[in-house]
Amino acid sequence: DTEVTQTPKHLVMGMTNKKSLKCEQHMGHRAMYWYKQKAKKPPELMFVYSYEKLSINESVPSRFSPECPNSSLLNLHLHALQPEDSALYLCASSQEVQVSYEQYFGPGTRLTVT
Amino acid sequence: AQSVTQLGSHVSVSEGALVLLRCNYSSSVPPYLFWYVQYPNQGLQLLLKYTSAATLVKGINGFEAEFKKSETSFHLTKPSAHMSDAAEYFCAVSRTGGFKTIFGAGTRLFVKA
Repeated sequence: DTEVTQTPKHLVMGMTNKKSLKCEQHMGHRAMYWYKQKAKKPPELMFVYSYEKLSINESVPSRFSPECPNSSLLNLHLHALQPEDSALYLCASSQEVQVSYEQYFGPGTRLTVT
Repeated sequence: AQSVTQLGSHVSVSEGALVLLRCNYSSSVPPYLFWYVQYPNQGLQLLLKYTSAATLVKGINGFEAEFKKSETSFHLTKPSAHMSDAAEYFCAVSRTGGFKTIFGAGTRLFVKA
């Protein structure tokens, strides 16, 4: 199984809502990532988890809160978002955090903030 | 610091023609190089990667790329384009000892019938 799954596929939320994005992989990978991708742009790294511990936070605003409950799951909690946060949010995983390993991406969650 | 430049935000080819997508990188140490493809409304999928084992790397779907250190390039090619190849292609680079993969701006490939 080389699949990374993400739920929901689409999410519309108001600026005062709290919601969560979920990501799951069963490849035994020990590194997991959150990316933000705006239209016609490359993915931008947000967070990296290695062995369930946050290892990289790319200066992401605190309205985005990641969580890694176990080695297979990654969540992104959203609160008080802004319209400019509307984007495709991609989850990825790799065998280890070292950059020689390729990343496996999920299909993404299309987020719209109204 | 490493960086990657993809020449041409859009490339259009006819079905059956050669596909050439250009990627140049900069890195102060030997790099790892990747090509990913993204179909509409999907995540990224690895096409191939270079990790210094061989300069000509073969990937999935008939794509290959050649690492040329003297030209700091890692161009992606496919001998004969198929309609299903229409997608966004990202070149990416990372460096030995680093923890971050840097993506290029992407090249949109159009395939004409």
